[in-house]
Amino acid sequence: EADIYQTPRYLVIGTGKKITLECSQTMGHDKMYWYQQDPGMELHLIHYSYGVNSTEKGDLSSESTVSRIRTEHFPLTLESARPSHTSQYLCASGGQTYEQYFGPGTRLTVT
Amino acid sequence: QKEVEQDPGPLSVPEGAIVSLNCTYSNSAFQYFMWYRQYSRKGPELLMYTYSSGNKEDGRFTAQVDKSSKYISLFIRDSQPSDSATYLCAGPNNAGNMLTFGGGTRLMVKP
Repeated sequence: EADIYQTPRYLVIGTGKKITLECSQTMGHDKMYWYQQDPGMELHLIHYSYGVNSTEKGDLSSESTVSRIRTEHFPLTLESARPSHTSQYLCASGGQTYEQYFGPGTRLTVT
Repeated sequence: QKEVEQDPGPLSVPEGAIVSLNCTYSNSAFQYFMWYRQYSRKGPELLMYTYSSGNKEDGRFTAQVDKSSKYISLFIRDSQPSDSATYLCAGPNNAGNMLTFGGGTRLMVKP
């Protein structure tokens, strides 16, 4: 089982601010993912990475960007937050098989 | 066509009932499927995974795959109020390179 951490857990921020959501895992997994999920709605993949210096966009278009400089760390950045970015952001990691292990999520509110 | 589909519910049952949750999938080439449980405002938790056809049992939970009909099921015996959550099935996407998730079925077990 993976240990995967996300900070902050909750964030309320004003429009136009730059924010970075942190995600770290301690299992040495090569694969990491970011999902966006509105309350009661399905998961939408917005970014993924298969290793250091590798990042790809997911199925859902997002104004966010990601980086993967270290295996254990996969931060997500919004350069200028808008109310439409209000959502829950979930980070996940996985090893050689298909399983994904999720963090607790960051609930973002942009006012 | 969505790669993995499930009825969103909600499904409401009395405590102690047997629950049946179902998904259909489109990629017939793959043999690896998962069930996740997601409590409100939390990240999804890997509940069970199963290979190929047949059943896999873990305590009160049984996962079943029917490859001929592209149908996967999760059965919960002696359901408890603590089982109230959204259950997501997951399988390989059409490209076969990562997991894709169903929209989730919300289950409510009433005392």
